[in-house]
Amino acid sequence: DAKTTQPPSMDCAEGRAANLPCNHSTISGNEYVYWYRQIHSQGPQYIIHGLKNNETNEMASLIITEDRKSSTLILPHATLRDTAVYYCIVRAGPASKLTFGTGTRLQVTL
Amino acid sequence: DAGITQSPRYKITETGRQVTLMCHQTWSHSYMFWYRQDLGHGLRLIYYSAAADITDKGEVPDGYVVSRSKTENFPLTLESATRSQTSVYFCASTITDRAWDTEAFFGQGTRLTVV
Repeated sequence: DAKTTQPPSMDCAEGRAANLPCNHSTISGNEYVYWYRQIHSQGPQYIIHGLKNNETNEMASLIITEDRKSSTLILPHATLRDTAVYYCIVRAGPASKLTFGTGTRLQVTL
Repeated sequence: DAGITQSPRYKITETGRQVTLMCHQTWSHSYMFWYRQDLGHGLRLIYYSAAADITDKGEVPDGYVVSRSKTENFPLTLESATRSQTSVYFCASTITDRAWDTEAFFGQGTRLTVV
């Protein structure tokens, strides 16, 4: 599975959009991009995933570049409850290959 | 309650003791996983199971034993606990292992301290 690179931390003001980048320059054609988040010490929570088209759900939007070498998770109106560590994962294989790196720690502030 | 639950939430045990962490899911998901999370590390896969009576090693299986006699339960046993196994343990489940729909559901975690 492709390796991902994320900034270790980011800040965002409450009510503003939080844009979390992820670089996956070695992604293969059949690998999906997944995003999870972990709030404080809770279990990770699924956010969204996509292959090549942009995706949106009630939580977030996922923008994948045309060459698929990077993506951005967008939280349109960040709240304090969105403070968490966000993990970007790319994979094609079975769920046993779901590999979590160290993610981006997003701090939402007043 | 529906979902995936882990027990206990907190456990302190002594070096050399056997301890079992429980994981129960109510969705009848085929796949279940055990991860550990240590400070400064992401989640690392210990063991996983594709179905009842089918288990396989993950990235860091040494010192752990799993079983899956029923689809809904996936206990993790530390046969002789060591201090290096002090960690937060997460259980997870997925419906399938297909790359395009593998939303994983995680439990709340078990914080294990080995003294």
